[in-house]
Amino acid sequence: SQKIEQNSEALNIQEGKTATLTCNYTNYSPAYLQWYRQDPGRGPVFLLLIRENEKEKRKERLKVTFDTTLKQSLFHITASQPADSATYLCALDSYGNTPLVFGKGTRLSVIA
Amino acid sequence: NAGVTQTPKFQVLKTGQSMTLQCAQDMNHEYMSWYRQDPGMGLRLIHYSVGAGITDQGEVPNGYNVSRSTTEDFPLRLLSAAPSQTSVYFCASSHGWTERGSSTDTQYFGPGTRLTVL
Repeated sequence: SQKIEQNSEALNIQEGKTATLTCNYTNYSPAYLQWYRQDPGRGPVFLLLIRENEKEKRKERLKVTFDTTLKQSLFHITASQPADSATYLCALDSYGNTPLVFGKGTRLSVIA
Repeated sequence: NAGVTQTPKFQVLKTGQSMTLQCAQDMNHEYMSWYRQDPGMGLRLIHYSVGAGITDQGEVPNGYNVSRSTTEDFPLRLLSAAPSQTSVYFCASSHGWTERGSSTDTQYFGPGTRLTVL
């Protein structure tokens, strides 16, 4: 069956370090992979989208990689700040008329 | 633009009651969807719509109805509320199907409705 896994429920990291979050999937042929940020009591907010033929995408302190051979995406936040503390969700977007499917998220805490 | 709006923000129901969660968007998006979010379960798709007059079921449709009579509105109806429907509900919208035939692109989420069924 199709499965999306985000490697950990929670991740604690020291301010200034690079946070790396993992999203693995099985039995999908994704066309796109998206990352969202969700703050407590709010809806998810789109961060980055990477296509299947792209290896890496950057936006300010954020970097996403996509390895369709390993069936994995890595999401990096460099020079992390306490304001980066939130839950981060990955979502897969497949070919054909199938809606976006979300992973369960990783709760990141950046400690000052 | 207001983006995606949801009402109410909070609601408490008794078992067996019915209600409608409202969702509206002012971005002229074709695609709209409803998710529920429960601790440890992530976001699960309830129903979605690819345009006015067209709806389809997601992963967890039982106990919920939807309709899409206009591009802007996508209400979610709980027919007979059950405690298992206690959750946070999010509505989302996006431009629609991408040129590659894959499903939606960037999704814009509403602020959510926190529903408790006693």
